[in-house]
Amino acid sequence: DADVTQTPRNRITKTGKRIMLECSQTKGHDRMYWYRQDPGLGLRLIYYSFDVKDINKGEISDGYSVSRQAQAKFSLSLESAIPNQTALYFCATSDFGTGGYNEQFFGPGTRLTVL
Amino acid sequence: AQKVTQAQTEISVVEKEDVTLDCVYETRDTTYYLFWYKQPPSGELVFLIRRNSFDEQNEISGRYSWNFQKSTSSFNFTITASQVVDSAVYFCALSGYSGGGADGLTFGKGTHLIIQP
Repeated sequence: DADVTQTPRNRITKTGKRIMLECSQTKGHDRMYWYRQDPGLGLRLIYYSFDVKDINKGEISDGYSVSRQAQAKFSLSLESAIPNQTALYFCATSDFGTGGYNEQFFGPGTRLTVL
Repeated sequence: AQKVTQAQTEISVVEKEDVTLDCVYETRDTTYYLFWYKQPPSGELVFLIRRNSFDEQNEISGRYSWNFQKSTSSFNFTITASQVVDSAVYFCALSGYSGGGADGLTFGKGTHLIIQP
């Protein structure tokens, strides 16, 4: 089974709708992240969380909200979706080991289309 | 603010050629981490390497090698004897470290590498 899962994998929605993207991990990592990828722009950080009580805004948090329901679950919500939120969304996890900051493990991505 | 620049948007080479992907970064942090990820056509992100700011040793892993130079703020990636399976988008990324924990990654825009048979 995959260590980081995202649901749904694909979603088409309409402008103004509320939508939630979910991420679950079995790696036991404390840190979880949400990124979006747009063609030619790389990945940009939306929100990140160090634990259930710690939520931090990233570079492009406007129009998004998150919820860390448990150590293993981190959800991203679009309260009122707009077409320019059409993108590929990635969830990631990491931990901090003896050698420092370890690499982030990414989920398979959710392709969201807002019409 | 942190920044990662991958000036090469797309590179196309013939199989078996060597190819170098450039990465230049900017950060004010004294402790930071650099990464390379691969994104094949299937879309997943595959971790390739991590480097921290205290370790300037170059690294070789099979046909892959990385050259980290703090003096020029560069972390370049070379593929030797390229293969068609190396075709992908490659991302360089940077993370700072701020007190209570490590930050999210700042990605470059990626380099699309095309290996022609």
